[in-house]
Amino acid sequence: DTEVTQTPKHLVMGMTNKKSLKCEQHMGHRAMYWYKQKAKKPPELMFVYSYEKLSINESVPSRFSPECPNSSLLNLHLHALQPEDSALYLCASSSSLYTGELFFGEGSRLTVL
Amino acid sequence: SNSVKQTGQITVSEGASVTMNCTYTSTGYPTLFWYVEYPSKPLQLLQRETMENSKNFGGGNIKDKNSPIVKYSVQVSDSAVYYCLLRCHNDMRFGAGTRLTVKP
Repeated sequence: DTEVTQTPKHLVMGMTNKKSLKCEQHMGHRAMYWYKQKAKKPPELMFVYSYEKLSINESVPSRFSPECPNSSLLNLHLHALQPEDSALYLCASSSSLYTGELFFGEGSRLTVL
Repeated sequence: SNSVKQTGQITVSEGASVTMNCTYTSTGYPTLFWYVEYPSKPLQLLQRETMENSKNFGGGNIKDKNSPIVKYSVQVSDSAVYYCLLRCHNDMRFGAGTRLTVKP
């Protein structure tokens, strides 16, 4: 079973829409991550939350807005996206920000029309 | 600073052994992880190697060290993309990945 759950698995949105991606883990991990992955490329780090506080923002455009409501949940709010933002968005978690393996979800495949 | 390099593509026949390299440079004591990516599956951990207890790496300055993964007697089902991930403090870097193709 996947221990990091992402919803929705697929999302199609227009450039004026507002949507959200959701991620949930129940492993007691205190660090959670958003990655963006384009076809045939490695995942690119976007945001890192540690103990529910934003620790790393890799200069991501403000049309992506992360939120960590509690230690188990991580959201990515999307607004006014561009077609080039179409990608697979991966969520991951780890026991802490500095150590341990990352556990990945299956991803949410986003298409921006 | 930290960097990671991987070989782009490898093609082998079923039953062969294959070594995939991950060459990295780090100013700290990193941990190297190998992940495999199958279509529509989460990235899955294969292997980890921790350097924090190693004393023979020049005081935390590592240059062009290789942390390979070896797969023996590969099957067609092993065809996938294999990523190396370097973690050092709060820096996390993926290599570009190695696409392994196993021919029957």
